[in-house]
This record gives sequence, structure tokens and C-alpha cells, in this order.
Amino acid sequence: GEDVEQSLFLSVREGDSSVINCTYTDSSSTYLYWYKQEPGAGLQLLTYIFSNMDMKQDQRLTVLLNKKDKHLSLRIADTQTGDSAIYFCAESGYSSASKIIFGSGTRLSIRP
Amino acid sequence: DSGVTQTPKHLITATGQRVTLRCSPRSGDLSVYWYQQSLDQGLQFLIQYYNGEERAKGNILERFSAQQFPDLHSELNLSSLELGDSALYFCASSVGQGPPTGELFFGEGSRLTVL
Repeated sequence: GEDVEQSLFLSVREGDSSVINCTYTDSSSTYLYWYKQEPGAGLQLLTYIFSNMDMKQDQRLTVLLNKKDKHLSLRIADTQTGDSAIYFCAESGYSSASKIIFGSGTRLSIRP
Repeated sequence: DSGVTQTPKHLITATGQRVTLRCSPRSGDLSVYWYQQSLDQGLQFLIQYYNGEERAKGNILERFSAQQFPDLHSELNLSSLELGDSALYFCASSVGQGPPTGELFFGEGSRLTVL
């Protein structure tokens, strides 16, 4: 079945780059997403990538997709304290009936 | 503010009881999704409704049920509650029937504690 896996924790120093990794099992996954959850809040969409793309860049965020290995990563350049949050990887198929399946989330903490 | 409203924000109840969680989607959104977030299982998809009809079902227990009303708000009913049902329950909404690129807008969640 569909499954999305992420490591639970990541700690980086302020100003360094953060790389959050995700693997998924559904080979028919067509869209892959990164959502951010700040403390006490719901999830917010950060970015998404279509499966025929290898990379997508949006300001400090870079998404890399290796479809062969079913591996997705989110790189945050120049990590700031405001980036502290839980980051969820998610995937869905092409059909409008497709569910969005989320990983367990990676908690990113920033060291001064 | 995502525009999705969930009530109550916090709820404490006892085992065996029944509770109802309510969700009002963003204005204009026809789809409502329910997710359960627990410490040990992450964010689990429960169920989706589109314009009043059930659209997709995930890992929703038989003790749980949901519906979407003509005004598009949704309710998630949890019955015969167990300790393990303690979790944060999120509602999300989207404009269309679902993916692929349609963004989900999440509410702030309803935290259920079962004692």
C-alpha cells in the first residue's frame, strides 16, 4: 500500500542548510508535497513537485525528486529560527479521487 | 489564518463516551478531509467528503463516522472512545475534489484527550 517515511528529528545550526528526506512506496505517485506545521497550528503547503520534474526551487527552498529511488528531499538554505517546525512530506496520485498520504513529519530544530 | 474553523479546540472526556468534532471549510471549498495526528502514528487520513458525498476513505475505525451537510460544514463523530483515540484531529478543505495540485487548507485542529 501507500506509505511515506521520514526521519523524526533534525537539528541544524542557524545559518546552515537543512536537508529533510522522505521516501515513498507508491510508484504511481504523481504529486509530492512539502507541508509545514508550526507550533499550535495546522499544516501549510510549502511547495509541491510533479513527478516528471527532478528539481524545483523557490527562494530558500529546493525540492529534489529521485523518482527511480522514490526519494524526495527538501533543502532549506540559510536556516533561520523561524524555520523551526515539523515538515511533512506527502504524496498523491493523478486522479482527483487520489488521497494525499502524509509521512509522520520531521521536527526541525535550530541551534544558535 | 487558513479560513478553516474547527471546534472545539480542546476536549477532555472519558473512555466509552461519544464526541462530535465540527469543521467549517473555507468559503467556496467543496471538499473536507479529516486527519488524525497522534504521536505514534503521525498524520493519518481518515475520510474525505466532496459536496456532501463521501469521496475517499482511509484508516477510519468503525466507531468513527463523519458527514458533510448541505452548508458544507462537516462533523466527525467518535464513539465508544478508547485511550488510544487521544489525538489531534485536523480538518482540511480544498476547492475541488482533491489532488493533484489542489492545496489543502488545514484548521488548527481539535485536541481530544480520553481519560
